[in-house]
Amino acid sequence: DGGITQSPKYLFRKEGQNVTLSCEQNLNHDAMYWYRQDPGQGLRLIYYSQIVNDFQKGDIAEGYSVSREKKESFPLTVTSAQKNPTAFYLCASSPRLAGGFTDTQYFGPGTRLTVL
Amino acid sequence: GEDVEQSLFLSVREGDSSVINCTYTDSSSTYLYWYKQEPGAGLQLLTYIFSNMDMKQDQRLTVLLNKKDKHLSLRIADTQTGDSAIYFCAETRPVSGGYNKLIFGAGTRLAVHP
Repeated sequence: DGGITQSPKYLFRKEGQNVTLSCEQNLNHDAMYWYRQDPGQGLRLIYYSQIVNDFQKGDIAEGYSVSREKKESFPLTVTSAQKNPTAFYLCASSPRLAGGFTDTQYFGPGTRLTVL
Repeated sequence: GEDVEQSLFLSVREGDSSVINCTYTDSSSTYLYWYKQEPGAGLQLLTYIFSNMDMKQDQRLTVLLNKKDKHLSLRIADTQTGDSAIYFCAETRPVSGGYNKLIFGAGTRLAVHP
């Protein structure tokens, strides 16, 4: 089955700890994204990557870091610098970023992070 | 403005039609999307419309696009309890470097009751 997987589904973290959320895709998509979703709000873009070893900040990158060492994988680290990390995190991928229908993004099932 | 706007809540009776409305901002958006999110799950691509179309029909779903008013709507015919979810509209917005960012509305929660 082709798709996007995120793990874990639920994650609990103590204040002051860094935590890494996993995102893997086997769709052979070039572009990958991380979004944050808070209750009653739309999705906000944290980081995106167009190609291996390259990534760009989105609208709310502060307190987060990413890496893109492999095409299939785009892990997100929520650092202790993120002031309000409790949220639902969604990973997405699209065939490429060059415009047109290939921008269409497909989403993983999400990880709910709770800071205790 | 910068925001994609949607009404937050819609309640319909099972078997009736649902119409979810969205106002977007960027007249140069090439594609407009509707995504569905069930509780605790990711977003599922429901349908999309290319900006040079006025209407697109896909089984029970009809998308209407009014470019003049920057208004997008999603009609679900014969709404079922399984349609209960949050529906997000999204527009593409070009940014530097040839990248098209997706901008999402806050979502419309559809509740279907018997």
